[in-house]
Order: sequence, then structure tokens, then C-alpha cells
Amino acid sequence: DAEITQSPRHKITETGRQVTLACHQTWNHNNMFWYRQDLGHGLRLIHYSYGVQDTNKGEVSDGYSVSRSNTEDLPLTLESAASSQTSVYFCASSDVGEQFFGPGTRLTVL
Amino acid sequence: GENVEQHPSTLSVQEGDSAVIKCTYSDSASNYFPWYKQELGKRPQLIIDIRSNVGEKKDQRIAVTLNKTAKHFSLHITETQPEDSAVYFCAASKSGNTPLVFGKGTRLSVIA
Repeated sequence: DAEITQSPRHKITETGRQVTLACHQTWNHNNMFWYRQDLGHGLRLIHYSYGVQDTNKGEVSDGYSVSRSNTEDLPLTLESAASSQTSVYFCASSDVGEQFFGPGTRLTVL
Repeated sequence: GENVEQHPSTLSVQEGDSAVIKCTYSDSASNYFPWYKQELGKRPQLIIDIRSNVGEKKDQRIAVTLNKTAKHFSLHITETQPEDSAVYFCAASKSGNTPLVFGKGTRLSVIA
């Protein structure tokens, strides 16, 4: 069955380290998104991509980057992790309708 | 940019009663309005969506209404059951394949 996966599911890191969160989908969707979820803020858009080599900034993109070298993957990189980036991160993908969400990555920055 | 407000933030209902969650949006260019349900520790999952050319949509116990003139849309759950307890998010976007702007969520508790 087609699916969307994220890894790792849990990560603890230290301030200043570079961290990469993986997102992989097997639906062959062109559109992929990264959101972060924090209590009191709901889900907020970090970056998104409409296809290979396309990336766009979202509402809360500072300190994050993405790259899209193939259709299946959109890795999210935290260049220098900060405590404010402690959050649950969800990636999602879509074709022309519903966005399907991955299981999430809980990231703690100490 | 788009801004989505969602009310109430918490809602408790007795089993069998109805629950209503309301959202407003700011961008008149938004045309797609999904509702997601998120259980504790799980991913958001779409339960129903509506597009701007439709005023109401139903799926069994769940219905969504949209008033484009007033820029608000609502989720209605009838005959609530304990398994309806979760956090519900409304969202808005220009189309189904563009980024979603989410409301802050409503924690629904259905009391048996």
C-alpha cells in the first residue's frame, strides 16, 4: 500500500547541532509540505514543494531548509538547532486534493 | 496572508448530543476547507472537506457548512460517541494542493 513515512520518530539533540528529518512518500505525489505543531499554535507551515527542484518558504521557515531531488522525498534540515525548534514535525503530501500526513517526528532540542 | 480563527478551543458534550465547531477565514481567495481529526499522539486525518462551490456537505454523522459571503464554515457532529473525542482542526487554502492554514484546534470531549 502507498504510504508516507517519517524518520526518526523521536529525536533528542543539542543546541547548535544540525539535524535532518526524513519524509518519504510512495504515492508519487508532486506536492509535499512540512508543518510543525506546538501547543496553542496548531499546525504551521515551514516549507513546501510542488515538484523536483522546487522549494518554497512557509510561515515559519527561519532556521530550516529543504531540498527536493526526487518525487518521493522532502528532507527537512535544521541548520543549527535551537530550543525554540522543540516541536512535533509533520510532513504531508497531496496530489489534487486531500493532504495525507505522516506519523510525525517529535524533536527535542536541549 | 490567510488567517483562520477557530472556536471554541475546548468543547464538552454528553454522548448522543451534537457538537458544533466554527471557523472564520480572512482571504476571499480561499476555496478549499478541510477538517482534520487528531487523536492523542497520532497524525491529523481528514474527516471531511468542502469546496467553495458547495454550501453544505454531509457524511453520515458529520456535516460541514460554508458561508463564503461571511467567510465562515462550521463542522457539525451529530449523535456524538466517545470515539469522537479528539482535537479537531479546520483549515483553509486556495486549492487542495496548496499549503493549508490551520485554526488552532478544538479539543472535543464526549462524556459517556
